[in-house]
Amino acid sequence: SQTIHQWPATLVQPVGSPLSLECTVEGTSNPNLYWYRQAAGRGLQLLFYSVGIGQISSEVPQNLSASRPQDRQFILSSKKLLLSDSGFYLCAWRDRAQETQYFGPGTRLLVL
Amino acid sequence: GESVGLHLPTLSVQEGDNSIINCAYSNSASDYFIWYKQESGKGPQFIIDIRSNMDKRQGQRVTVLLNKTVKHLSLQIAATQPGDSAVYFCAENLLTGNQFYFGTGTSLTVIP
Repeated sequence: SQTIHQWPATLVQPVGSPLSLECTVEGTSNPNLYWYRQAAGRGLQLLFYSVGIGQISSEVPQNLSASRPQDRQFILSSKKLLLSDSGFYLCAWRDRAQETQYFGPGTRLLVL
Repeated sequence: GESVGLHLPTLSVQEGDNSIINCAYSNSASDYFIWYKQESGKGPQFIIDIRSNMDKRQGQRVTVLLNKTVKHLSLQIAATQPGDSAVYFCAENLLTGNQFYFGTGTSLTVIP
C-alpha cells in the first residue's frame, strides 16, 4: 500500500532563517506531487506541483521554492523565512493510474 | 477556483441526526470531485469521490450528490457521530489536468 511521509512534524524558525521541508511517498512510482499551505482556519492554497523529477510548476509567486530530486521525494525550501510563511504545510500525491489525491500528515511551521 | 482567503462556515448538528454539507464549485468543465475530512492538526483524509458522469455516489454512511447544472456538490452524513466533527473540504479537478481546487471548507460540530 502507498504511504506518504512528511518531516519534521513541527518546526519553529526565526525570521530570515532557511527552510527545508521534506516529503516522500512509498508504494508508487512516478506520482504527481503537490505542496499546499493552509493558514489557521482557512482553506488550502496550492504552492507547487510536480509531474516528474526536476519538473516544478509554481502556482503562487513567493519566497518559497520546490525541488524534486528523486521520483518520490518532494522538497519545499526557502532561503529566508518571513513571518507570513507560518502555516500548515501539506504534501500530497496522486497516482497516474488513479484519480484521487492523498495527503500527508503535514508540517506545522511557526516563524518568529 | 481557490477560496483560500475566507473564514470557514460552520454547521452544528445533534448526534444521530443527518448532516448535509454543501459546496459550490467554480469550473463547469471540472469532471472529478473529492470530499475530504480534516481533523485538527492532521492532513485531509479522503472520504468519497465522484465523477461528472454520475449524480450520486454512496459510501459507508456518506453520500455525495452532484448537480452539474448549478455547479453544486453536497456531502450527506447519516447518523452523525461525535467522531465526524471536523472540517470538510470539497475539491474539483479536470481529469486531464494536474491541479485540484479546493472549496473554503465547512466546520462540522456534532453535539452529543
